[in-house]
Formats: sequence, structure tokens, C-alpha cells
Amino acid sequence: QVQLVQSGPEVKKPGASVKVSCKASGFPFNSYLIHWVRQAPGQGLEWMGWINVYNGNRDYVQKFQGRVTMTTDTSATTAYMELRSLRSDDTAVYYCARAGENCPDATCNWLDPWGQGTLVTVSS
Amino acid sequence: DIVMTQSPDSLVASLGERATINCKSSRTILHSSYNKNSLAWYSQKPGQPPKLLIYWASTRQSGVPDRFSGSGSGTDFTLTIGGLQAEDVAVYYCQQYYSSPFTFGGGTKVEIK
Repeated sequence: QVQLVQSGPEVKKPGASVKVSCKASGFPFNSYLIHWVRQAPGQGLEWMGWINVYNGNRDYVQKFQGRVTMTTDTSATTAYMELRSLRSDDTAVYYCARAGENCPDATCNWLDPWGQGTLVTVSS
Repeated sequence: DIVMTQSPDSLVASLGERATINCKSSRTILHSSYNKNSLAWYSQKPGQPPKLLIYWASTRQSGVPDRFSGSGSGTDFTLTIGGLQAEDVAVYYCQQYYSSPFTFGGGTKVEIK
């Protein structure tokens, strides 16, 4: 079945970096956009950006520009999200999610399915 | 950025009662090429990732019970749960995917009376 499986929880110190992986299966990985969304404890959902697996194009939320890098390894059908210069307010569950459909103009950006989430804790 | 505003923040309803959640976008999210509104609804239960319920404002995702329905156009949208069930206790989010950044509403917590 269509599935995204993420890497395990991470504990990092302020100023460090974290790289979360998202292993895809059950669909043609190269044909979709992969999105990243985070959720701070007890808070709502915050969209971070997406990567087009086919051509590598990316779109990041401005607040993360310069700190985030989204990549993919098509041979491993895995997407990655690296966040650098971590701060305590980066403590959150990070989700990957696939765009709902493979639309030619990349407009079908409802999110389904979602990975199970990766808790990243930033603490000194 | 398009701001998505949900109301109410929380609601308490009885089993079998209808529950209505509103979502307002700060500008139109009607995609002219498709003549569809670029709005999705998700539910999230504690400790779980969000689950897609509705996309294009009113298209129910496969496998979602038909008591869930979406409506609205332009800037005003509604998710209706027709006949609340115990398993519907969750936080519900709307999301616009019309233009980047693809923003979410703040969420509506639904509980059973």
C-alpha cells in the first residue's frame, strides 16, 4: 500500500543540525511532490515546504530559508529534510506527506498519505 | 501569505448531532483552471498524523464516511459532520493549497458531550 515511513526520534542541542528521512513505498516516487509539515507540542500544523522528486525543484517557507534543505534519493525512494542551527522552538513533530495526486501543473497539493511523524527535541 | 481562520476553536456536541466547522481564507482560493477551490480538510487524533478527509473543498477522500461533507467557495468553507460518532473526536484542520505557502487553519477541537 501507499506508505511513508519516517526515521526515529532525535534529541539535539541548540545550534546542531538534524536530518529526518521519509521512506516511500507503494507508488511511483519520481512522480510526486513530497511536502514537510511540523507541529510543535500542543500546537497546530505548520507547512515548511515541498520538493518535486522528478526535477528537484523546491519551495521553502521564507522563515526557514537558509536553514532547511529538502532532498531526495530516488534509488532509495527516500526523501530527507535537514534543519540546521536548531533552536528550542524547533522542538516539534516533523511530518512528511505526499501530494495527493500527480497533476501536470503541480496544483494537487492536498496531503495524503502522511508519515507517522518524527519527534525532534532541541534541548541543552 | 493566505491566512486561514477557523471557527470555532472547539465545539462540544452530542452523539448523532450535526457538527459544523467553518474556515475562511483571506483571499479567494478558487483555481480558475480547474474551477475548483484549493481547500482540504484533515482530522487528527492524539498521537497520530493528520488524515485527509476532503479535497477540492467538497471531494471526499476514498474510505472517508459519507457523514463528512465539505462545502463553500471563494473564501468561505464548511466541514459538516452529519451525525457525530464517538470516533470523530479529533482536531480538524483546513488547508489551502492555492498558493505557497500552503497554510493551515488553527484547528477546531471536536468533543462529545
